[in-house]
Amino acid sequence: GAVVSQHPSRVICKSGTSVKIECRSLDFQATTMFWYRQFPKKSLMLMATSNEGSKATYEQGVEKDKFLINHASLTLSTLTVTSAHPEDSSFYICSASDVSPSDTQYFGPGTRLTVL
Amino acid sequence: AQTVTQSQPEMSVQEAETVTLSCTYDTSESDYYLFWYKQPPSRQMILVIRQEAYKQQNATENRFSVNFQKAAKSFSLKISDSQLGDAAMYFCARNYGGSQGNLIFGKGTKLSVKP
Repeated sequence: GAVVSQHPSRVICKSGTSVKIECRSLDFQATTMFWYRQFPKKSLMLMATSNEGSKATYEQGVEKDKFLINHASLTLSTLTVTSAHPEDSSFYICSASDVSPSDTQYFGPGTRLTVL
Repeated sequence: AQTVTQSQPEMSVQEAETVTLSCTYDTSESDYYLFWYKQPPSRQMILVIRQEAYKQQNATENRFSVNFQKAAKSFSLKISDSQLGDAAMYFCARNYGGSQGNLIFGKGTKLSVKP
């Protein structure tokens, strides 16, 4: 149980284009989903927290207009990197918490974004 | 400050031996959760073990156990009978902000297992 998927696993795009990453909880309902960014050989840095049906809460320093987050249902959250630039290249990971506040986050397999 | 510190960037253990990974944290909250996550080369984060701060009993999951010292704000992970598949980055994490709190991670410890 507690499986989280991400799609795509890897994406390469041109500078200036937008990229959408999907995060799905496959076997549970996720009231809260989290988006992280991980640089090479570094720890995870929280970008934003999204709750189903409401606006995402962004961490300090994260541009909300660049990283658009939508949490339209209890099983799906999307992260759209708008007008991507090479510095946005990174490994993006989502996680989800189930409806009961167990405080355990289950992570997706991550998406490698490369902006040329 | 809300920090999680892993003082060992790298550790190495012989197969079948025991290794302990250190983690200390800072918090002003009385009720919180602590986690150890494993990130193998595939980069999939896998929950290894979790501890609820109000429980004094140390959590165990098969070969994995923790030594939770609340007063010292210490949360170490012990891996017994180490296996080659245990080789990975291990991240200690603490939640904050309530029941659906966010996670703050340590910088990680890279564990190598020698055959």
